Amino acid sequence: LAKTTQPISMDSYEGQEVNITCSHNNIATNDYITWYQQFPSQGPRFIIQGYKTKVTNEVASLFIPADRKSSTLSLPRVSLSDTAVYYCLVGDEDNAGNMLTFGGGTRLMVKP
Amino acid sequence: DADVTQTPRNRITKTGKRIMLECSQTKGHDRMYWYRQDPGLGLRLIYYSFDVKDINKGEISDGYSVSRQAQAKFSLSLESAIPNQTALYFCATKRESSYEQYFGPGTRLTVT
Repeated sequence: LAKTTQPISMDSYEGQEVNITCSHNNIATNDYITWYQQFPSQGPRFIIQGYKTKVTNEVASLFIPADRKSSTLSLPRVSLSDTAVYYCLVGDEDNAGNMLTFGGGTRLMVKP
Repeated sequence: DADVTQTPRNRITKTGKRIMLECSQTKGHDRMYWYRQDPGLGLRLIYYSFDVKDINKGEISDGYSVSRQAQAKFSLSLESAIPNQTALYFCATKRESSYEQYFGPGTRLTVT
């Protein structure tokens, strides 16, 4: 079971780029990396998923180094509405009990 | 209309009572999940189902049971509620071969 470690909290200001790094030293060959966003009293929302190198979509980028022991979620030009908890998950889609470990997440506070 | 719905949204019950939380989805996904979230913590997996005939225990299944009545419906039961089961409960669905889970709005359960 790949354990993940993220910073408990981060602060930023509107318009800045935010990078949240997740460590997963024992990631397995078949494991993918997935990031979710959660607002208070709402269910998590999928942001991005990747296996290696870099993945970009309309809301974020995900950077994964060659050894895959960490990953960095990058949020460009954050706004107040990006204040939320961000979870990094690592696992194999075929093994639901393995991949579905959310952990404590990173609380991002965006200030005006 | 929401793709994943949960009923009730809020429930207060007494210790020892049996209670059922219901989840329905219109996404046509085979895989469904039940999580609980305690204040300030991440989500923990209770049970998951890959299809109607495949139900599996998650990280914290003790004190809970589930029923997958149809592809679209997955119910969570607390046989004899206790106060430490007070939490926010989320249902989620996922398509096989995808890493993106879709979460319901949650059920806030209070056991007194």
